[in-house]
Amino acid sequence: GENVEQHPSTLSVQEGDSAVIKCTYSDSASNYFPWYKQELGKGPQLIIDIRSNVGEKKDQRIAVTLNKTAKHFSLHITETQPEDSAVYFCAASRRSNDYKLSFGAGTTVTVRA
Amino acid sequence: DVKVTQSSRYLVKRTGEKVFLECVQDMDHENMFWYRQDPGLGLRLIYFSYDVKMKEKGDIPEGYSVSREKKERFSLILESASTNQTSMYLCASTPPFWSGNTIYFGEGSWLTVV
Repeated sequence: GENVEQHPSTLSVQEGDSAVIKCTYSDSASNYFPWYKQELGKGPQLIIDIRSNVGEKKDQRIAVTLNKTAKHFSLHITETQPEDSAVYFCAASRRSNDYKLSFGAGTTVTVRA
Repeated sequence: DVKVTQSSRYLVKRTGEKVFLECVQDMDHENMFWYRQDPGLGLRLIYFSYDVKMKEKGDIPEGYSVSREKKERFSLILESASTNQTSMYLCASTPPFWSGNTIYFGEGSWLTVV
């Protein structure tokens, strides 16, 4: 099955700086890569996703890049703000088969004011 | 807005008890899931269901069962709770395959088995 590894497990950044989280996956057939943000006491929420026919996608301060050859994808948060503090999860799946997402272990991001 | 509701947010149960975790979604989604979340392990899939009365095992089904008698409701059952099942449990749902992969999570149920 799919194995998704996520690094780092914790990340502390100064407000206004950028944060980068990296994930690698094992199944070359995976073609859908979402990122989730989980705030304290809440369920994860989708913040951005990318499909395998695209190399990069941006949504305001958030961007995701995908390198299918190397089987890795990254989340970039620019101009970090205190409300960006949360746990972030990457995931991968084969959209054509089903909706079984394989998740990374999560990254706890702390933005220092 | 899609709503996935987990009726119990915090539960404390004794070892050996039968535990029911209930989940309801209001968007007529075909697909529903139960995940378990543990620190350092991310989210692991326990069971999922593509339709009423259908279920399939995920990655860690041992010690769990599920029930889907109605489309909107997906229940996770711990037949005999054990301390290693202390965890946060997340229910999720997704629309039909052709409309995209967006998965919607509930707020989670914190289960402590003593």
